[in-house]
Amino acid sequence: DIQMTQSPSSLSASVGDRVIITCRASQGVTNDLGWYQQKPGKAPKRLIYLASSLQSGVPSRFSGSGSGTEFTLTISSLQPEDFATYYCLHHTSYPLTFGGGTKVEI
Amino acid sequence: QVQLQESGPGLVEPSGTLSLTCTVSGGSISSNTWWTWVRQPPGKGLEWMGEMHQSETSNYNPSLKSRVSILLDKSNNQFSLKLTSVTAADTAVYYCTNRYSSGYPYWGQGTLVTVSS
Repeated sequence: DIQMTQSPSSLSASVGDRVIITCRASQGVTNDLGWYQQKPGKAPKRLIYLASSLQSGVPSRFSGSGSGTEFTLTISSLQPEDFATYYCLHHTSYPLTFGGGTKVEI
Repeated sequence: QVQLQESGPGLVEPSGTLSLTCTVSGGSISSNTWWTWVRQPPGKGLEWMGEMHQSETSNYNPSLKSRVSILLDKSNNQFSLKLTSVTAADTAVYYCTNRYSSGYPYWGQGTLVTVSS
C-alpha cells in the first residue's frame, strides 16, 4: 500500500496568513493526487485535482503543486471560511489512500 | 452535475450486515466512472473502502478483507454497499462518491451508521 503522510497534522493560523500543507507518498503517484476540504458534519469537497488543477468554483487562493512523492496545498491568504480539515488522496494504485488530515484552526 | 444520496439503517447489531444504498441523479450508473464508498469513524480520518465499475469490475480495500461488496442496480440507477460481520469499529459516517480519471468531484452528504446492540 502507498502511505500518504500529511504534515502538519494541525496548525493555528490567522486570517490573511499563507498556509502550506504537505503530503508525502511512500511511493511515486505521478500526479494522481487530489486535495479535499472537509468541514464538521459535511462531506469532503474537492479543491485540487491531478496535483495542481483548481476545481471549478474554488477560489484562486487555493493552489496545488508537486509530483511523484511530494505535494503541497497552499492557501495564499487564509479566509474565515477556510478553517477546516484538509486531506490529500492518491488514486494511482490500489488501495487508494488518504493522508491523515490537517486541521486548520484559528 | 451528478448528485448522490446515501440511505439505509442507522443502527446495525454487532456481527450483523451493514447495507447502504446510494441513489444517483444527474448521471447514469452505466457511465464510465467508478462508484465508490468511503467511510469516516467519528473524529477520525477518511478510509477508501472500494469501488465498482459499470463493467462489473470491482476493487476493494484489503483491510476489509472479504467483508465488503459493492453492487450496481442499473434499473434503479443505484449502487449499494454490504459489509458483513460488523463490530463497533465499523461505526462511521459512510459516503458514496464516484471516481473519474481526475479523482472524486461529487460526494453524497454521508450517513452515520452505528454498530451497537
